[in-house]
Amino acid sequence: EIVLTQSPDTLSLSPGERATLSCRASQSVSSNYLAWYQQKPGQAPKFIIYAASSRAAGIPDRFSGSGSGTDFTLTISRLEPEDFAVYYCQQYGGSPPYTFGQGTKLEI
Amino acid sequence: QVQLVQSGAEVKKPGASVTVSCKASGYTFTTFYIHWVRQAPGQGLEWMGIINPSGGSTRFAQRFQGRVALTSDTSTSTLYMELNNLRSEDTAVYYCARGFYCSGGSCYSRPLDYWGQGTLVTVSS
Repeated sequence: EIVLTQSPDTLSLSPGERATLSCRASQSVSSNYLAWYQQKPGQAPKFIIYAASSRAAGIPDRFSGSGSGTDFTLTISRLEPEDFAVYYCQQYGGSPPYTFGQGTKLEI
Repeated sequence: QVQLVQSGAEVKKPGASVTVSCKASGYTFTTFYIHWVRQAPGQGLEWMGIINPSGGSTRFAQRFQGRVALTSDTSTSTLYMELNNLRSEDTAVYYCARGFYCSGGSCYSRPLDYWGQGTLVTVSS
């Protein structure tokens, strides 16, 4: 089983600042099948990045993903008020289980 | 448009079973696998298992093996998740979400692109 560890657990920033979230895998992620999701209180997660660096349809270009192998990063270049949420990474390729990281809370 | 609509909240006693449904629409039902994910109050996302609606093959996270069943009904485009022998730690919101795409005998890894709205299952005596 691939264990995904996200850091930091909580990130406190202000609108307009840059956010950098990390996701580290215990072993190489198959074909970089790594996704990022955004979750706001009371809502289902929303898929924002797939294949480590591709943005989902309709996601603003201030969101970007990078990395390969075992180290991945989600960057939000200029935080907007609506970006404050919890972010999860997930590996979705190869054999199950398709594990999630524990989440990073991005707060003002 | 793609939609996954789940059944309503449930309250169950310890030891009981619960079944959550997930009705799919807006795409060809048999071409996408469905994942089940849960989230305990204030906690993160936990992957539970996956089903191929075409044929019904399933895979589970080890901790749920033997306690969860996933089924599909192609006539109504509905998926079901049954969790047995409930305990208080199973109190959570349960989500279905669309994943792998299959066509022409091949399947392709895809992120969980569409999610149901979630179903709260409360286990309490």
